[in-house]
Amino acid sequence: DIVLTQSPALAVSLGQRATISCKTNQNVDYYGNSYMHWYQQKPGQQPKLLIYLASNLASGIPARFSGRGSGTDFTLTIDPVEADDTATYYCQQSRNLPPTFGGGTKLELK
Amino acid sequence: EVQLVETGGGLVQPGKSLKLTCATSGFTFSNAWMHWVRQSPEKQLEWVAQIKAKSNNYATYYAESVKGRFTISRDDSKSSVYLQMNSLKEEDTAIYYCTVTTRVSNWFAYWGQGTLVTVSS
Repeated sequence: DIVLTQSPALAVSLGQRATISCKTNQNVDYYGNSYMHWYQQKPGQQPKLLIYLASNLASGIPARFSGRGSGTDFTLTIDPVEADDTATYYCQQSRNLPPTFGGGTKLELK
Repeated sequence: EVQLVETGGGLVQPGKSLKLTCATSGFTFSNAWMHWVRQSPEKQLEWVAQIKAKSNNYATYYAESVKGRFTISRDDSKSSVYLQMNSLKEEDTAIYYCTVTTRVSNWFAYWGQGTLVTVSS
């Protein structure tokens, strides 16, 4: 299985930039696409898709969110951070079965 | 509007069985590939099972942790997907989410609200 590693927590100030990283132990690129996706989860809610195929914004997601990366290194950036962004962020790969998730990064405000 | 509604969770003793249902609407269910994903009390997300569409012969896939104990199935006439869970273990305790992908979009764009399964004596 492909293993995804995220830092457990990140604290940023309102209006600043948050950069969340996700590293995989295998390449998740295939025929020009990076099969890496990002989700936001708030307490008591289901995960919500933010970014698909590494850099594509999901429908209805504000442009403050962006994703980049390829191969084994990926980042999710929130700029500027708003109070409503406090949540846990998960990366997920779909290059291989089984789909696997990172452990999540909890974003808090300083 | 896409909707996924899971039901059937509850408290069950180790070794017993439980069947989850996910009722869907707002998309062409017959073309969709349906999944179950669970989230442990420690908040780790784990993919559990997938069932493809009729055009893919309803092929099924399972996580190693549930293979041989869980069975995913679907009823296209009811736009519903099911998860039969047998020989339940305490480590199966989790919120179970129903999600959907397609042949060309294999990310989890839509999720249900989840149903809690607690395995405990």
